[in-house]
Amino acid sequence: QQPVQSPQAVILREGEDAVINCSSSKALYSVHWYRQKHGEAPVFLMILLKGGEQKGHDKISASFNEKKQQSSLYLTASQLSYSGTYFCGTAGVGGSQGNLIFGKGTKLSVKP
Amino acid sequence: DAGITQSPRHKVTETGTPVTLRCHQTENHRYMYWYRQDPGHGLRLIHYSYGVKDTDKGEVSDGYSVSRSKTEDFLLTLESATSSQTSVYFCATTGPSSYEQYFGPGTRLTVT
Repeated sequence: QQPVQSPQAVILREGEDAVINCSSSKALYSVHWYRQKHGEAPVFLMILLKGGEQKGHDKISASFNEKKQQSSLYLTASQLSYSGTYFCGTAGVGGSQGNLIFGKGTKLSVKP
Repeated sequence: DAGITQSPRHKVTETGTPVTLRCHQTENHRYMYWYRQDPGHGLRLIHYSYGVKDTDKGEVSDGYSVSRSKTEDFLLTLESATSSQTSVYFCATTGPSSYEQYFGPGTRLTVT
């Protein structure tokens, strides 16, 4: 039931774009995205709800395809500060919305 | 910053000894969570609480117990620590009007 994230790791140059995918085998109500820098706690980026719209946060946006049970995180014109590990957390339909199952993470490295 | 502290921040203990980790929040959030984070596994939910004295199991609850006697404190106890419980433990809380989870700074536990 753990969502699958891809790619596992990606290296970018500043200004390049990246897409991180999160795919689940079960019906989802919501997908949450978090970023964690090395040695720090995860920090919330955004949540996408079933029936909701695509979200955006500065140059980071995300989409949620309910039918495919997939979400994608888009990072455009990447900055050095975007480096870190990105996790998606999923909540299933009918379950408790706070009980998230997280993917294993995607490590993003942005180089100058 | 949701005012979440964890104690201790680092602990080394021996196999078979009991260990209690504390999570303290100042935001009066109703929901609290305990996760463990291990390389290659992402974040996994151990136990959660939806109110004082109301707790339930997460996906990796074996070997752990929790208690919540006050809104602000959520304790995680390892009754008899094992080496497989060496991990980084994060506490998180959720506010009343959103699903965003705020994470504490983490506790690094080593069981020798």
